[in-house]
Amino acid sequence: DVKVTQSSRYLVKRTGEKVFLECVQDMDHENMFWYRQDPGLGLRLIYFSYDVKMKEKGDIPEGYSVSREKKERFSLILESASTNQTSMYLCASSSPGQAMNTEAFFGQGTRLTVV
Amino acid sequence: GNSVTQMEGPVTLSEEAFLTINCTYTATGYPSLFWYVQYPGEGLQLLLKATKADDKGSNKGFEATYRKETTSFHLEKGSVQVSDSAVYFCALNNDMRFGAGTRLTVKP
Repeated sequence: DVKVTQSSRYLVKRTGEKVFLECVQDMDHENMFWYRQDPGLGLRLIYFSYDVKMKEKGDIPEGYSVSREKKERFSLILESASTNQTSMYLCASSSPGQAMNTEAFFGQGTRLTVV
Repeated sequence: GNSVTQMEGPVTLSEEAFLTINCTYTATGYPSLFWYVQYPGEGLQLLLKATKADDKGSNKGFEATYRKETTSFHLEKGSVQVSDSAVYFCALNNDMRFGAGTRLTVKP
């Protein structure tokens, strides 16, 4: 069974902390994505990666960075957490080639609260 | 650029009612179109997809037809159940952008 695993379901961090959200997929997918989900705003793309050590900015990259050192792992980093980064974070992966026609697989999500 | 517009929710229906959730898109080229569903407390999962014009995707009683002339991919179900209560997202897979999501609540 295909799987995308996010390291934490719930996380509480303090303002100013550096926060790491980890995502691992076991499907050998080249493409990986990070979104945040907020009420009324749907899913907004933060960053994505089409290959190891490669990253591209999505629609709302400010305040975030990412790391893709290995194919199966895509990490989202909040350099200095702020309360407006309290949200649900979703990781997804998909395969390339005819990737435009393939589905994305999602993790369960990490609900981050910054206090 | 590419974008997806979904009808705003929330949508509340009685069991066995007919469901339509509208989705229109703007895209260059010939994107594939997707509907994803998010059940409470879970991540998103694929509900159905269509990869070219006039294709109909279907799953679990849901259907959507890829209409290039109207740039639409509306989701329909003839008779909804309480278990269909979820958030539904329309998406283009050429750049992984999603609509805002439509929350559906089905009451017994």
